[in-house]
Amino acid sequence: DAGVIQSPRHEVTEMGQEVTLRCKPISGHDYLFWYRQTMMRGLELLIYFNNNVPIDDSGMPEDRFSAKMPNASFSTLKIQPSEPRDSAVYFCASSLVQGLNEQYFGPGTRLTVT
Amino acid sequence: AQSVAQPEDQVNVAEGNPLTVKCTYSVSGNPYLFWYVQYPNRGLQFLLKYITGDNLVKGSYGFEAEFNKSQTSFHLKKPSALVSDSALYFCAVRELGNTPLVFGKGTRLSVIA
Repeated sequence: DAGVIQSPRHEVTEMGQEVTLRCKPISGHDYLFWYRQTMMRGLELLIYFNNNVPIDDSGMPEDRFSAKMPNASFSTLKIQPSEPRDSAVYFCASSLVQGLNEQYFGPGTRLTVT
Repeated sequence: AQSVAQPEDQVNVAEGNPLTVKCTYSVSGNPYLFWYVQYPNRGLQFLLKYITGDNLVKGSYGFEAEFNKSQTSFHLKKPSALVSDSALYFCAVRELGNTPLVFGKGTRLSVIA
């Protein structure tokens, strides 16, 4: 398996622009997670899905952030409009049914908003 | 609520010496505990986990971790450190059920040749 795939790997955009980050989880995994990592705040869970359904989005910082999972093999995280404080590395992770199973992380998308 | 603490932001160790990266946790029930490693410009990689059974868990790259219920700790160890072990290490905990992993803030390990 190719592992969790994220695109793009790097994104540079100007403040106010819309940004869309993409994730393909490992085939057969039931759970998908979006995280944000910054030096100041560490690793933060933004939202997670089970069988394509959002379960907990309490970590989404503002209404500017939205996430979708239209099918089992694809998810997007959208920021509209983007702001400089959104600059971070965004990770997607997936896992089999929770409990005993570890999460597998993608390589991340480094977002820079100028 | 579940939580995990990594009391050291940075750990320095000489190559060939044993290393320990500390982690303590807080859960209301039985914990599931995990260690991950993050190399520069990479995603987190799973190292090992404790679910039940033997308190000493062995994982990838020669790492092991010891579960101590009385001290609510799950310290990561390696008998002989390599320069290539230099990375950011995360401890994570989950309680029973379908709750997400809760990660610590990470400990940066620097192994000096």
